[in-house]
Amino acid sequence: TQLLEQSPQFLSIQEGENLTVYCNSSSVFSSLQWYRQEPGEGPVLLVTVVTGGEVKKLKRLTFQFGDARKDSSLHITAAQPGDTGLYLCAGRGAGNMLTFGGGTRLMVKP
Amino acid sequence: EAEVAQSPRYKITEKSQAVAFWCDPISGHATLYWYRQILGQGPELLVQFQDESVVDDSQLPKDRFSAERLKGVDSTLKIQPAELGDSAMYLCASSLQGAGANVLTFGAGSRLTVL
Repeated sequence: TQLLEQSPQFLSIQEGENLTVYCNSSSVFSSLQWYRQEPGEGPVLLVTVVTGGEVKKLKRLTFQFGDARKDSSLHITAAQPGDTGLYLCAGRGAGNMLTFGGGTRLMVKP
Repeated sequence: EAEVAQSPRYKITEKSQAVAFWCDPISGHATLYWYRQILGQGPELLVQFQDESVVDDSQLPKDRFSAERLKGVDSTLKIQPAELGDSAMYLCASSLQGAGANVLTFGAGSRLTVL
């Protein structure tokens, strides 16, 4: 079983602050994805990273894939209340199966 | 914009009753997934279909859960009998084959509460 550990599990910050969420594993993944999920809805894909060391930016969100393709980070600059939600990382590994981490619940207070 | 449709959105049932969830994937998506998400946790794959065939159901509790996708389009997930621990969000997702297989589109989910 390939496990993805996300940290922190919960994060409550003020609007305008920066934050970083981590996704770690002992397994190597061919690709890694980040999703955001709002209450009562399904996850929505934000980004897919496939190359070790790859960095992708989506407005105020910066995603990085570790050099060894075992970990990833999501950095949000100047967080806004609209960023509130559950952030999930998911890695595609052995058997081409997609495994999700436990999620980081982010709350951004105005 | 194309969506994955799921119904019902909410279901409350008593333990030992039967319950069924329905999913209609995006048109043309050959791959269909059923995930279970317990509150506060990440989704766990229950079953994956490629057209009408099961690709992976290793995490499906087969003594009480069943899933089918008879014509390779829509799918039904059934639980019989339901247990208290089955309370969760049941998410359906679909994707294309080949190069598009890495892009999953999720439905809004069916939230089950077992009393």
